[in-house]
Amino acid sequence: ILNVEQSPQSLHVQEGDSTNFTCSFPSSNFYALHWYRWETAKSPEALFVMTLNGDEKKKGRISATLNTKEGYSYLYIKGSQPEDSATYLCAFWNSGYALNFGKGTSLLVTP
Amino acid sequence: NAGVTQTPKFRILKIGQSMTLQCTQDMNHNYMYWYRQDPGMGLKLIYYSVGAGITDKGEVPNGYNVSRSTTEDFPLRLELAAPSQTSVYFCASVIGTGGNTIYFGEGSWLTVV
Repeated sequence: ILNVEQSPQSLHVQEGDSTNFTCSFPSSNFYALHWYRWETAKSPEALFVMTLNGDEKKKGRISATLNTKEGYSYLYIKGSQPEDSATYLCAFWNSGYALNFGKGTSLLVTP
Repeated sequence: NAGVTQTPKFRILKIGQSMTLQCTQDMNHNYMYWYRQDPGMGLKLIYYSVGAGITDKGEVPNGYNVSRSTTEDFPLRLELAAPSQTSVYFCASVIGTGGNTIYFGEGSWLTVV
């Protein structure tokens, strides 16, 4: 079992605020880091898959960075909108066969 | 595009009953998974398969069984349901190892009473 830690556990921001979450993972035997967006009653939706140290990926107002040497990744949301409200899951893949998930960060964006 | 399809979406079971959660994918993916999601917890791996005929236990396999007779299908069997198995179950698949996007089904909400 590989510990993947996400912080904060939950976050409540106003529409238009920018925000960021942290994902910490073991820095040894790194293979890939995944970010998912999950809305209740829907399937988790892949946001980013990152494999290289220093990777930065962007999808609209959402971006992510990766530091494999120190074992962390940041997810940024610029100008949060109510439709960004969801749980954001981070998952780590080492040399095994499956993703190890963190507990997620629950984001609520109010108008 | 169907992707990963799991059924049923909702089910209420009585303690001691058995049932099978069905999962099928049409993307010819080798790897398939069953996870459960409990409130305040991350997704916990129940079982996984790296190909037809090959299955292995994940982090929380007790009370469950799986089979993988074809590439497409990966059913999860609950024997003698217990209240601790009340959860949301997700099936997922990926074509290969961790650098590829994993696709999830829409989830199955199971309540054991």
